[in-house]
Amino acid sequence: GAGVSQSPSNKVTEKGKDVELRCDPISGHTALYWYRQSLGQGLEFLIYFQGNSAPDKSGLPSDRFSAERTGGSVSTLTIQRTQQEDSAVYLCASSLGGALQTDTQYFGPGTRLTVL
Amino acid sequence: GNSVTQMEGPVTLSEEAFLTINCTYTATGYPSLFWYVQYPGEGLQLLLKATKADDKGSNKGFEATYRKETTSFHLEKGSVQVSDSAVYFCALSDWEHTDKLIFGTGTRLQVFP
Repeated sequence: GAGVSQSPSNKVTEKGKDVELRCDPISGHTALYWYRQSLGQGLEFLIYFQGNSAPDKSGLPSDRFSAERTGGSVSTLTIQRTQQEDSAVYLCASSLGGALQTDTQYFGPGTRLTVL
Repeated sequence: GNSVTQMEGPVTLSEEAFLTINCTYTATGYPSLFWYVQYPGEGLQLLLKATKADDKGSNKGFEATYRKETTSFHLEKGSVQVSDSAVYFCALSDWEHTDKLIFGTGTRLQVFP
C-alpha cells in the first residue's frame, strides 16, 4: 500500500517568509510524528499527534513552529518568519498508534527546506 | 534523560568483510530499540527492531541483540555488500514521552568492491 508522503520534496525560501510542509500518513495510522534532520543537530523530534488527544509539542524549537492535523489524517507543519538555521530536512512518520514501544514508525521521504 | 550513542563514521570496508556498528543507550524503563537505514537519496527505513531484553532483531543479513546488562544494541552483518553502503541510525523509543524516537548521530558505512 501507499507509504507516508510529504510535499513539497524541496522548498527554497527567503529569510523571513512563512512556509508550510505537508504530510499524508499511511491510511489507518492514528499516530503522526514530525522530526527534523540537520547537519548540526542530527535527527530530532518536533511534535507528535495521537488521535484526538492534545499533541505533544515538546520538541518544537521555538514559537515560530506550529503544526496541526486535520481530521486525524493530513498534517501541516508551519514555520513562520523562517531563519537560516531552520534549513534542514523535515521528516514525517506515522504508526498504528496502538501499543506503545512496540509500534513501528514509518517515515516519509522528507521535505528539504533551504532558507536563503 | 534518555539518549543513544553510536560509533562515529565513516566505517569503510571491503565487500564480504564483517561489520559491527556499536550502539549503546541510556534509558529509564524498558525502551524498544531500533536500527534505521538511510540509503543515498532515500528516506529512513526500518532495518530491524527488538522490543525486550535478549530479543534479537534481524533483517537482510543484519542482526542486533538487545543487551540490557550492557545497555547495547550493536549492529552486525557477516558479509557486507556494496549495496549496504548507507547511513545507519540506532534509536530507542521513549515510552515515557509519547513513544517518540531518540536517535543516535548516525554512522556512515562505505563498502568498496
